[in-house]
Amino acid sequence: AQSVTQLGSHVSVSEGALVLLRCNYSSSVPPYLFWYVQYPNQGLQLLLKYTSAATLVKGINGFEAEFKKSETSFHLTKPSAHMSDAAEYFCAVSKNPGGYNKLIFGAGTRLAVHP
Amino acid sequence: DGGITQSPKYLFRKEGQNVTLSCEQNLNHDAMYWYRQDPGQGLRLIYYSQIVNDFQKGDIAEGYSVSREKKESFPLTVTSAQKNPTAFYLCASSIRGTGMTGELFFGEGSRLTVL
Repeated sequence: AQSVTQLGSHVSVSEGALVLLRCNYSSSVPPYLFWYVQYPNQGLQLLLKYTSAATLVKGINGFEAEFKKSETSFHLTKPSAHMSDAAEYFCAVSKNPGGYNKLIFGAGTRLAVHP
Repeated sequence: DGGITQSPKYLFRKEGQNVTLSCEQNLNHDAMYWYRQDPGQGLRLIYYSQIVNDFQKGDIAEGYSVSREKKESFPLTVTSAQKNPTAFYLCASSIRGTGMTGELFFGEGSRLTVL
């Protein structure tokens, strides 16, 4: 069965510092993986997705993630944090790639950015 | 603009009352979903529908009901049988079919508070 674990429910960084949000997955089949961002009282917005093409995936707002099969990881990074990056981030794995999509979400990581 | 519209954004309910949350999409997506979000627990799937007049239970369907009479609409009813209905509810949709990467598109959410 597919599952997702996000390490760290809260992460705090200084403006301009590296952002690293960790995600590990388990899947019995090659997975499709996603990172979503959620601002307060809003829906989720797709940041980026891995669909078995390039292992380094670039997304919106300067974020990127690297799929590492040997480590079953899909960590999200951004070289330099901005105040506007403060939000909650969710990693998700697809339970049925190629068909209808039932995503399994991690518990989320809340990112705080301080001056 | 294409997207998903959820209403109402905020809703208050007395214990014992049923309440219906609206979800409308104009993306021409076949599949639609309802998720429940609680702090620290990520998103949990309530119900999903792949086509009109068909829907399946997700992981936490007890106390909820849905209908899918039109492709564009997927309302969720929170019944009095739901023991802890206070939560943030998110509706989503996706393209259905093989070869699709299966990303979900989300609405802005509805926050239900039981008094």
